[in-house]
Amino acid sequence: GENVEQHPSTLSVQEGDSAVIKCTYSDSASNYFPWYKQELGKRPQLIIDIRSNVGEKKDQRIAVTLNKTAKHFSLHITETQPEDSAVYFCAPDSNYKLTFGKGTLLTVNP
Amino acid sequence: NAGVMQNPRHLVRRRGQEARLRCSPMKGHSHVYWYRQLPEEGLKFMVYLQKENIIDESGMPKERFSAEFPKEGPSILRIQQVVRGDSAAYFCASSPDLGKAETQYFGPGTRLLVL
Repeated sequence: GENVEQHPSTLSVQEGDSAVIKCTYSDSASNYFPWYKQELGKRPQLIIDIRSNVGEKKDQRIAVTLNKTAKHFSLHITETQPEDSAVYFCAPDSNYKLTFGKGTLLTVNP
Repeated sequence: NAGVMQNPRHLVRRRGQEARLRCSPMKGHSHVYWYRQLPEEGLKFMVYLQKENIIDESGMPKERFSAEFPKEGPSILRIQQVVRGDSAAYFCASSPDLGKAETQYFGPGTRLLVL
């Protein structure tokens, strides 16, 4: 099965700084690479995703980059705001299943 | 994804009791996935069902856990003789498409607490 590792496990930044979270995976057949944001007590929310035929995707302050050769993809958040504070999960697919990383707790300090 | 409904939202059971968790997929979706999230961990795949069929149950514990998705009505995740280690958030996701991870929409989850 898919092995997924996420780094760092916690990240604290000042408001306005950038945050980068990296995810490595093992299944070379993975084709779909999403990032989810989960606030306390809530469901995971898809914030951005990328498919294997694309190297980078951007949506306002959020971007995802993919290196399929090295089997890793990263989440980039620029101009962070306090409301970005949450746990972020990568979840590459393995067939139809999503395999979630252990999460990164992002804290944005005002 | 607000269309995926789960109930109850919170469930408290004593050790040895049964827990039944329900998931109503979005309209038009005939595929349901169940995931479990232990405290401070990511979600882990449990089972993938199509109407009246279990497609993949490789993530289900071998004993006490079962799932169904009948022709009519919600999908049910059933846990018999619950133990404290079953305390977790259980999320279901529904999809209109066979075998596509990217079209899964998550429900709000059921938080199970076993006393």
